[in-house]
Amino acid sequence: NAGVTQTPKFRILKIGQSMTLQCTQDMNHNYMYWYRQDPGMGLKLIYYSVGAGITDKGEVPNGYNVSRSTTEDFPLRLELAAPSQTSVYFCASSYPHRDAYEQYFGPGTRLTVT
Amino acid sequence: KNEVEQSPQNLTAQEGEFITINCSYSVGISALHWLQQHPGGGIVSLFMLSSGKKKHGRLIATINIQEKHSSLHITASHPRDSAVYICAVIGGYGGSQGNLIFGKGTKLSVKP
Repeated sequence: NAGVTQTPKFRILKIGQSMTLQCTQDMNHNYMYWYRQDPGMGLKLIYYSVGAGITDKGEVPNGYNVSRSTTEDFPLRLELAAPSQTSVYFCASSYPHRDAYEQYFGPGTRLTVT
Repeated sequence: KNEVEQSPQNLTAQEGEFITINCSYSVGISALHWLQQHPGGGIVSLFMLSSGKKKHGRLIATINIQEKHSSLHITASHPRDSAVYICAVIGGYGGSQGNLIFGKGTKLSVKP
């Protein structure tokens, strides 16, 4: 299994541009998450999904959109990129295990908006 | 006040030392996670525990539910243990869906 894969690994955007961060998992997990990690801060939840067709906002959803048309894919869309969206983005997936939800992380996408 | 607090923020140790990283949380939880973030950025899950103690090799994690406190211990530390160690608890948005609240991490550097 490849686990959780993310593309691209790095990206530089100009202010106002848009892009989609791709995330795919091959473990048949229903639960998927997008986090951002800013320097010196803990990871923050952007959006999450509990299955195909179901998504919900996390702690910091503004400026982002997601979709979940299949179990495998959970892309994150940035519209009108802003410098405040410069961050490292992690996608994760999980399965419920006695309410514990062990999470598997992708390698991350480092995004710079200038 | 953050819901998940880790200490220390930074830790430098000599190879072979016994290391302890602490995590205190203020929310009720069903499970606590310890994660390791490598210098290259990748994040892997080390432990998931809801009571007592777990051990994997040189790593030991304990949790005290009543005191809302967990510790991660590394015995016989090695330079390859150098990483950021992150504590996380289930809660926050969609907490019942396994969403995690993360501490800021403890950066560990083990010198040879």
